[in-house]
Amino acid sequence: KAGVTQTPRYLIKTRGQQVTLSCSPISGHRSVSWYQQTPGQGLQFLFEYFSETQRNKGNFPGRFSGRQFSNSRSEMNVSTLELGDSALYLCASSLAGTFRLGDGYTFGSGTRLTVV
Amino acid sequence: GENVEQHPSTLSVQEGDSAVIKCTYSDSASNYFPWYKQELGKRPQLIIDIRSNVGEKKDQRIAVTLNKTAKHFSLHITETQPEDSAVYFCAAPGSQGQPGGGNKLTFGTGTQLKVEL
Repeated sequence: KAGVTQTPRYLIKTRGQQVTLSCSPISGHRSVSWYQQTPGQGLQFLFEYFSETQRNKGNFPGRFSGRQFSNSRSEMNVSTLELGDSALYLCASSLAGTFRLGDGYTFGSGTRLTVV
Repeated sequence: GENVEQHPSTLSVQEGDSAVIKCTYSDSASNYFPWYKQELGKRPQLIIDIRSNVGEKKDQRIAVTLNKTAKHFSLHITETQPEDSAVYFCAAPGSQGQPGGGNKLTFGTGTQLKVEL
């Protein structure tokens, strides 16, 4: 089966701009979680979407937002970009986000965002 | 929420030696402990996981042990090879039943493993 697809793979944006990243989960998976990965902070949880609803949210400012469509594809948006937003953004696909047997994360390859 | 600490941050071993990475967690309700391997420029990939109803799990050269009383779990890699060089992350989910349902993984800060020839 197809894996988790994230687009684009690389982005360069200027401070103050906004950006939209996309994640297509594994077919049949309904939960999509987003993480920010930086060398200093590791993997930080942004939010999780399930059945088109944001179910959990991490400690990021309101500039970070997301949504999920009826086909489970998810987008995340970052507005008013700051230099500190430069990171690898990973999405993780799972059946239902419960971590019960058989329901774990499969990560996409990520989007490398550079803010200049 | 859950807090996961991971040590060491870097580990260098000679090919053929064993490597051990340790993690501690804070939430006694955590019941699932995965380990991910991330090679340079690639996605994190699950290599092994353990649930709280067992104390040890093995898969060829890798094993994970869990001590629920002490709230720590460890990754053991035996007979290390150059292709084991990567960053390894541990994780734990904390309490189930978040207000919105579902759960999330909290990750350790990673261990850069280097296997030298």
